[in-house]
Amino acid sequence: AQSVTQLDSQVPVFEEAPVELRCNYSSSVSVYLFWYVQYPNQGLQLLLKYLSGSTLVESINGFEAEFNKSQTSFHLRKPSVHISDTAEYFCAVLYNTDKLIFGTGTRLQVFP
Amino acid sequence: EAQVTQNPRYLITVTGKKLTVTCSQNMNHEYMSWYRQDPGLGLRQIYYSMNVEVTDKGDVPEGYKVSRKEKRNFPLILESPSPNQTSLYFCASSLRGAEAFFGQGTRLTVV
Repeated sequence: AQSVTQLDSQVPVFEEAPVELRCNYSSSVSVYLFWYVQYPNQGLQLLLKYLSGSTLVESINGFEAEFNKSQTSFHLRKPSVHISDTAEYFCAVLYNTDKLIFGTGTRLQVFP
Repeated sequence: EAQVTQNPRYLITVTGKKLTVTCSQNMNHEYMSWYRQDPGLGLRQIYYSMNVEVTDKGDVPEGYKVSRKEKRNFPLILESPSPNQTSLYFCASSLRGAEAFFGQGTRLTVV
């Protein structure tokens, strides 16, 4: 069955520290990968995506994620977080261009 | 501005009173879907539509109906709401094989 796993439901971190949010998915021939961010009381916004090409993708606010086909992972990283990065982050996988499946989310809490 | 618009943003209703949550997109996307978001469960797909007059069940369709009479609109209907349908609902649209765009959400409370 198709599934997306975010093992960490909460990640507390101090400001300016590095962070990694983990995402693993069940293997399939064709997958497109996404990270969405949800700020309090808002909808989901696309943070970054992997459709094809370079396996390392970056967002405009310093996040990056790497598609690792052999490990079926798409972990999200940032070398130095800010208070404003506090939000919930969802990994999502589009299987066979049809079915978009979300992980259960990781709440990133950045402390001063 | 490209967007997905949901209405209402907040809704409190009583058990059994039929309600409709509207969703409209202005990006000419063929693919639209509804999700519910519950703590610890992430987003679960309720129904989706790959084009006009084509709809199909997602992972949690019980108690919901949808219709797709026009490309831009995809309303979610709760014929007889129950308290276990209290949740945060999101509509999304996309081109096939591309990222989804989400509405701002509808917070529904059924008492």
